Amino acid sequence: QVQLQESGPGLVKPSETLSLTCTVSGGSIDNYYWNWIRQPPGKGLEWIGHFYYSGRTNYNSSLKSRVTISVDTSKNQFSLKLTSVTAADTAVYYCARGLGVEVTPPYYWGRGTLVSVSS
Amino acid sequence: QSVLTQPPSASGTPGQRVTISCSGSSSNIGSNYVYWYQQLPGTAPKLLIYGNNQRPSGVPDRFSGSKSGTSASLAITGLRSEDEADYYCAAWDDSRSGPGVVFGGGTKLTVL
Repeated sequence: QVQLQESGPGLVKPSETLSLTCTVSGGSIDNYYWNWIRQPPGKGLEWIGHFYYSGRTNYNSSLKSRVTISVDTSKNQFSLKLTSVTAADTAVYYCARGLGVEVTPPYYWGRGTLVSVSS
Repeated sequence: QSVLTQPPSASGTPGQRVTISCSGSSSNIGSNYVYWYQQLPGTAPKLLIYGNNQRPSGVPDRFSGSKSGTSASLAITGLRSEDEADYYCAAWDDSRSGPGVVFGGGTKLTVL
């Protein structure tokens, strides 16, 4: 069974870069689409973007200028970087994996990690 | 404003059948699979339905999904108190302005 675990700072200052890592166990990071999704407190889900092991990426158009998703196959991890953060980026961040090689919503999810943006 | 439209709330009594709708367009629901998630308070979303109407292992058959054109529905039969949660629909969107996964705004289900 695939398991995903998010890790990273729980507090980031405004204008700085938010960096999170997702560690994958129970399966290889080769193949599949690797996603980041976030959920502001009390609000709905927002897809941030995904990375396909071949190097293909797609990002939410509203975040595209600030987001980078990359994969480290040697560590079976993938990461999220979001630059120039503001209070509006405060959210629970989830990493997730698709089911197969087609682009679909995520099938497996991590437990999520809360990131607060505050000085 | 979410790309997929869901009613903000739904309710039912124990044992009842409840449906939650999800409306989209030709670039998302109309041409791609619909997924449904259940989110209990303080927890990560749990996949209930994938591929429009497929249940992952362990999801009770009280939960079922359907799709017609650019709309989809989640049905819950034999409603239980533990079904009280937020429910989200999702689909891939082939929009030229930026393809990606789109979610509904979520429906809060209350078991009366």
